[in-house]
Amino acid sequence: EAGVVQSPRYKIIEKKQPVAFWCNPISGHNTLYWYRQNLGQGPELLIRYENEEAVDDSQLPKDRFSAERLKGVDSTLKIQPAELGDSAVYLCASSLSYFVWGSSYEQYFGPGTRLTVT
Amino acid sequence: KQEVTQIPAALSVPEGENLVLNCSFTDSAIYNLQWFRQDPGKGLTSLLLIQSSQREQTSGRLNASLDKSSGRSTLYIAASQPGDSATYLCAVYSYNNNDMRFGAGTRLTVKP
Repeated sequence: EAGVVQSPRYKIIEKKQPVAFWCNPISGHNTLYWYRQNLGQGPELLIRYENEEAVDDSQLPKDRFSAERLKGVDSTLKIQPAELGDSAVYLCASSLSYFVWGSSYEQYFGPGTRLTVT
Repeated sequence: KQEVTQIPAALSVPEGENLVLNCSFTDSAIYNLQWFRQDPGKGLTSLLLIQSSQREQTSGRLNASLDKSSGRSTLYIAASQPGDSATYLCAVYSYNNNDMRFGAGTRLTVKP
């Protein structure tokens, strides 16, 4: 079974330029997450989707970040314009669902996209 | 707000040694705790998931324990191997935040 697929794996852009990341979750997984991981730190949640609905985007910097999950499968995360502080690894994860019977489903992570803003 | 701390930040051991990685969290109202492994340039691989009602989980040479009341978890690795070298992260899913919070990780090096 294929895991979570992300592209591109690496991206170098100049500040003020736009950039987009793509994620294809594991087949059948309804919940999709985007995380940002700064160097030497753990991932931080940016946005969570239940099917095509964004149910938790409280940590997404909405002035420059946007995301979409059309048809409840693939997802795209966009930054426009990028700033130097956006340099990080952007991780996508998926799970069967999010919450049931007082627990949460195991999350499966993709390899991430390493973004460098110069 | 849930805070997750991992100590030590880095650890280097000779091959064959048993070792313990520590994770502490400030809010004990959690649903579960998960340990991940991250290799350089790679995503996260789930190692063990402990539900709040459980005390420990085992997988091969790995054993994770959870003490919710004290806000602590440990990951025990038996007979360490060079292939265990990676960064290990713990994450907790808590009631109040309604999301998963990660520690910064422990970077483990196992020397042949």
